[in-house]
Amino acid sequence: ILNVEQSPQSLHVQEGDSTNFTCSFPSSNFYALHWYRWETAKSPEALFVMTLNGDEKKKGRISATLNTKEGYSYLYIKGSQPEDSATYLCAFRNNDMRFGAGTRLTVK
Amino acid sequence: ETGVTQTPRHLVMGMTNKKSLKCEQHLGHNAMYWYKQSAKKPLELMFVYNFKEQTENNSVPSRFSPECPNSSHLFLHLHTLQPEDSALYLCASSQEGQGNEQFFGPGTRLTVL
Repeated sequence: ILNVEQSPQSLHVQEGDSTNFTCSFPSSNFYALHWYRWETAKSPEALFVMTLNGDEKKKGRISATLNTKEGYSYLYIKGSQPEDSATYLCAFRNNDMRFGAGTRLTVK
Repeated sequence: ETGVTQTPRHLVMGMTNKKSLKCEQHLGHNAMYWYKQSAKKPLELMFVYNFKEQTENNSVPSRFSPECPNSSHLFLHLHTLQPEDSALYLCASSQEGQGNEQFFGPGTRLTVL
């Protein structure tokens, strides 16, 4: 993998559902992996910065895991709420910062 | 409010115009960034400044010229742009170190006619 890839591209869930999405990145020259939430008409907001293989981070109902050896990170949202609707971006940092295209989450 | 402000929020310019985008951060950070988001594309890093020194220029055309007069201010000077340069331009800042998060401004929506 040369670029940062996120899946799925978009996701619709019902309020109360738990969900997760994936970020895949190059497994060499790893420095850090960032997750951001970007709500419409607002600035991207940092969720997590992860630097160590096996890292698990949590903020409220949102958590993330990191596997630098195989080059992936998962973002989990437990009990989705309408205010979780946003685009979730991951970014791989080595010499520069490369963003994925994002996963657009809609919670109804 | 992230502590990073950008002006103007919207800009329409002709291909022969010269304009500048301004970014200011009130967070005491030592690194600032310009990003471009084109329609249906991921965010692209354009320029990085660490301690007012440009450390990265990701093959950005010379019609985009950054300036960082101090650690709190960052400009992007625009000259002879093309319609395909129409995009959302985001500024960010961070305290440089391993994996430190970036704080983004609200962006400038640029349209080149």
